[in-house]
Amino acid sequence: DTAVSQTPKYLVTQMGNDKSIKCEQNLGHDTMYWYKQDSKKFLKIMFSYNNKELIINETVPNRFSPKSPDKAHLNLHINSLELGDSAVYFCASRRGSNTGELFFGEGSRLTVL
Amino acid sequence: SQQGEEDPQALSIQEGENATMNCSYKTSINNLQWYRQNSGRGLVHLILIRSNEREKHSGRLRVTLDTSKKSSSLLITASRAADTASYFCATDGSGNTPLVFGKGTRLSVIA
Repeated sequence: DTAVSQTPKYLVTQMGNDKSIKCEQNLGHDTMYWYKQDSKKFLKIMFSYNNKELIINETVPNRFSPKSPDKAHLNLHINSLELGDSAVYFCASRRGSNTGELFFGEGSRLTVL
Repeated sequence: SQQGEEDPQALSIQEGENATMNCSYKTSINNLQWYRQNSGRGLVHLILIRSNEREKHSGRLRVTLDTSKKSSSLLITASRAADTASYFCATDGSGNTPLVFGKGTRLSVIA
């Protein structure tokens, strides 16, 4: 019974394309996040949503647009993909916006050719 | 901006030995957490230590926190090959700030 699930797990695409990654959590958590992990394993926060509302938007190009249709889902759409977007994208959730442990999905590995 | 910095970047030990990883951070925190990441998988929460705690145990894990030095350590005792993974510290600040992760320590336990 997966707590945080992301799809797809792997994504290979050409530069300039548009792609989406979906995330769903069945934990009843209020807060969801997108993190980007680069080739050196560095994890960087991209976005944070609390009850469908955007609360954190780090310095991310506006080609990245998160969408939260309800508090159990947080999708990530990326326009005009660039080589530097290649990374593993992790969705995570937690109960509140400023406390408790994070529950991570298994990651979505994006490769831009 | 990055908060935690783990040390060492990589650690290789024999099964049965203890592994110690350190984490330093820069600003005040509410709590500090340690996570584990197996190759190709998501991060899994190991332990959380609050800013008013100095030491915490969970099974073979022991975490210490020194807020005056802004540092934490994770000790894994009697390591096993299955402990091979990357270990990350993450700091939790005030307000709606998200967890900020360090660069991680790659632990290899050789059987």
